[in-house]
Amino acid sequence: DAGVTQSPTHLIKTRGQQVTLRCSPKSGHDTVSWYQQALGQGPQFIFQYYEEEERQRGNFPDRFSGHQFPNYSSELNVNALLLGDSALYLCASSSDSSGNTIYFGEGSWLTVV
Amino acid sequence: AQTVTQSQPEMSVQEAETVTLSCTYDTSENNYYLFWYKQPPSRQMILVIRQEAYKQQNATENRFSVNFQKAAKSFSLKISDSQLGDTAMYFCAFMKLFDSWGKLQFGAGTQVVVTP
Repeated sequence: DAGVTQSPTHLIKTRGQQVTLRCSPKSGHDTVSWYQQALGQGPQFIFQYYEEEERQRGNFPDRFSGHQFPNYSSELNVNALLLGDSALYLCASSSDSSGNTIYFGEGSWLTVV
Repeated sequence: AQTVTQSQPEMSVQEAETVTLSCTYDTSENNYYLFWYKQPPSRQMILVIRQEAYKQQNATENRFSVNFQKAAKSFSLKISDSQLGDTAMYFCAFMKLFDSWGKLQFGAGTQVVVTP
């Protein structure tokens, strides 16, 4: 049973560019959440997708957007990258029927130079 | 808004000894979940233990146990018989029910170092 998978593992982008990160949830899960974890800090909730719609959103600017596909996989897009966007981006999946069981992927390391 | 506070940036413990990590939270909610997650150098978040606020009995998972004090809004994690593989960052997290289902609020973390 595959867990939560994320790609790419690492990437380097230049300020002003755009990036897309991808996530496949654990089998049987229909809800995907994205978190940003800056170095030395705890993860911060970006947003959550369920039934292909954004259901909840944290305190992040509109430069951060996402999408969920019919197979429940998800993308996180960040436009106009800033140096401060450098972080580990974690994807978490859960089932809407049991949202208290949350599994995380290994994350995507984004470095903005 | 909820806040989660972990006041210990780093804890060191010898193998086979016990270490306790503290976590306090602030909420006006009555129904919620609390979690401890472990993040080893691989950076993947691994669920250690979960506590439902409506349950008075403290959760236990093998060598990991919690002391949940709802009135004090305290949720500490005890690691018994510490092993080298326990070396990791440990995060306390809070989740409201219903409209915030699946959304975690994390503390800043406590680095645990287990020494031989």
